[in-house]
Amino acid sequence: GAVVSQHPSWVICKSGTSVKIECRSLDFQATTMFWYRQFPKQSLMLMATSNEGSKATYEQGVEKDKFLINHASLTLSTLTVTSAHPEDSSFYICSARGSSLGLGETQYFGPGTRLLVL
Amino acid sequence: AQSVTQPDIHITVSEGASLELRCNYSYGATPYLFWYVQSPGQGLQLLLKYFSGDTLVQGIKGFEAEFKRSQSSFNLRKPSVHWSDAAEYFCAVGKAGNMLTFGGGTRLMVKP
Repeated sequence: GAVVSQHPSWVICKSGTSVKIECRSLDFQATTMFWYRQFPKQSLMLMATSNEGSKATYEQGVEKDKFLINHASLTLSTLTVTSAHPEDSSFYICSARGSSLGLGETQYFGPGTRLLVL
Repeated sequence: AQSVTQPDIHITVSEGASLELRCNYSYGATPYLFWYVQSPGQGLQLLLKYFSGDTLVQGIKGFEAEFKRSQSSFNLRKPSVHWSDAAEYFCAVGKAGNMLTFGGGTRLMVKP
């Protein structure tokens, strides 16, 4: 149980284009989803927190107009990197926190999406 | 503000040897504590967690961790390491309803 998927697993795009990454909780309802960014050999940096049906809360320094987050349902959140540039190349990981009994405060992570902007 | 420190960036152990990965946290109350493992190019897998109760918690893959309030530590241990344990390990701290703060990670290498 508590499986989170991400799609795509990797993407290469041209500079200036937009890329959408999906995060799905497959077997539980996720009231809260988190988006992280991870640079090579570094830890995870929280970008934003999204609650179903409300606007995402962005961490300091994260451009909300560049990294659009939508949490339209209890099983799906999307991150859109708009007008991507090479410096946006990174590993993006989502996590989900469930609302049902037994899942509590634990975040379950997706497998990540590697973005390369040329 | 909460913070997590993993003092060891890299650790190398021989297969079959015991392992301890250190984690120290700074937090104003009793935190929720987690250990995650990340294989190259993959997401994070939860190894174990501590919310309350018994301070020695058992996790998957033979891992355990002990919460020591007096030392603000939550060290991860395994009695006998396998080559497949080679990965990056992250300690994280959080509180109810809020985000997780991750340590910098410890890369474990296993010698045959």
